[in-house]
Amino acid sequence: DTGVSQNPRHKITKRGQNVTFRCDPISEHNRLYWYRQTLGQGPEFLTYFQNEAQLEKSRLLSDRFSAERPKGSFSTLEIQRTEQGDSAMYLCASRLRGRTSGDVTGELFFGEGSRLTVL
Amino acid sequence: AQSVTQPDIHITVSEGASLELRCNYSYGATPYLFWYVQSPGQGLQLLLKYFSGDTLVQGIKGFEAEFKRSQSSFNLRKPTVHWSDAAEYFCAVIGTGNQFYFGTGTSLTVIP
Repeated sequence: DTGVSQNPRHKITKRGQNVTFRCDPISEHNRLYWYRQTLGQGPEFLTYFQNEAQLEKSRLLSDRFSAERPKGSFSTLEIQRTEQGDSAMYLCASRLRGRTSGDVTGELFFGEGSRLTVL
Repeated sequence: AQSVTQPDIHITVSEGASLELRCNYSYGATPYLFWYVQSPGQGLQLLLKYFSGDTLVQGIKGFEAEFKRSQSSFNLRKPTVHWSDAAEYFCAVIGTGNQFYFGTGTSLTVIP
């Protein structure tokens, strides 16, 4: 079963370092999402791609965060100059958007997440 | 603006007892509603979803949910809880821009 895959699962880094997370979505899914989840909270939207185009970014996504999805397949989320407040679980999800504009019913399929700890 | 409220932060039930987790949504148009479950250190797994039609929706693992437009609710139920159901449960709605909005979750503890 080729579900959504995220790497690394855990990352411990020192404040000020850069980190990169990778997400491999379900192959036929054209939409890919990044969420952040902190303890006791639900997933918070960061950004999403339709194919290779980044269509929306949340205000949560500061200038230190950048996401890419080259060729519309896997995606990377990079955090530069990490801060302790960046410590969280970073979740990737993919979704198949329908062919018609009215088809909004596809659910999100989540990976197991990448947990970041900034010391 | 759309939002989801899960009033219960934490619920404890005995194994074998019934369960109901509450979810209230705020959205002006027809809501598309979901329940997800998250085990510790894992991603979210879809339990069930509602788009239209029958307001009682059946999901996986014996869960069901009932959509009540008059109460803006989409409560999750299970008649008999198993120890393996202990997890975090999230309600979500698709809102503006076709985005998912999640509640803050309800943590379920199951006692023997």
